[in-house]
Amino acid sequence: SQTIHQWPATLVQPVGSPLSLECTVEGTSNPNLYWYRQAAGRGLQLLFYSVGIGQISSEVPQNLSASRPQDRQFILSSKKLLLSDSGFYLCAWGPPADTQYFGPGTRLTVL
Amino acid sequence: QKEVEQDPGPLSVPEGAIVSLNCTYSNSAFQYFMWYRQYSRKGPELLMYTYSSGNKEDGRFTAQVDKSSKYISLFIRDSQPSDSATYLCAMSAMGAGGTSYGKLTFGQGTILTVHP
Repeated sequence: SQTIHQWPATLVQPVGSPLSLECTVEGTSNPNLYWYRQAAGRGLQLLFYSVGIGQISSEVPQNLSASRPQDRQFILSSKKLLLSDSGFYLCAWGPPADTQYFGPGTRLTVL
Repeated sequence: QKEVEQDPGPLSVPEGAIVSLNCTYSNSAFQYFMWYRQYSRKGPELLMYTYSSGNKEDGRFTAQVDKSSKYISLFIRDSQPSDSATYLCAMSAMGAGGTSYGKLTFGQGTILTVHP
């Protein structure tokens, strides 16, 4: 069966500091991978998606970036965090042309 | 106007009640429909997935899709306190090649509380 991992589970960072969140998927190959952000009391906002190694599509202009160095690894980064970057970050994977399955999430607080 | 509209609630019902959760959408290209359940501070969990009009049943849950009205529903029978969560509808379009792009559009989520 497939499993998706995210770490860290929680993170508190000062404004202006860098960020690196990691997501890995087990039990499947060549998945579509997604990064979402969920602000408190709001819906899911798609940030990035990837259909293959090195292939990243950005949905929202911002100071975040994503990379996919391996088939089942997806990384979300920032060089300098803003207060507005606080939120619940979710990684998801999906079989190509199908639905999505979410990881446990990372709760980021920028102070 | 948002592509997907979902009443945020909150919705509070007694244990054993039938719950109806609804979403409307404006994009006629949406062909795949999903319902997710999200417990507090957890990732969303896929509950139901359908791509055709009509009803799909799974235990106490029934997903209903009406493409002509651009309206989907999730019914929960015999609701339990453990059903207390946020419920998110999600949809995706079918690409020109007959396959979904895999990009989902979500509703805002409905907060449900089932009290004993």
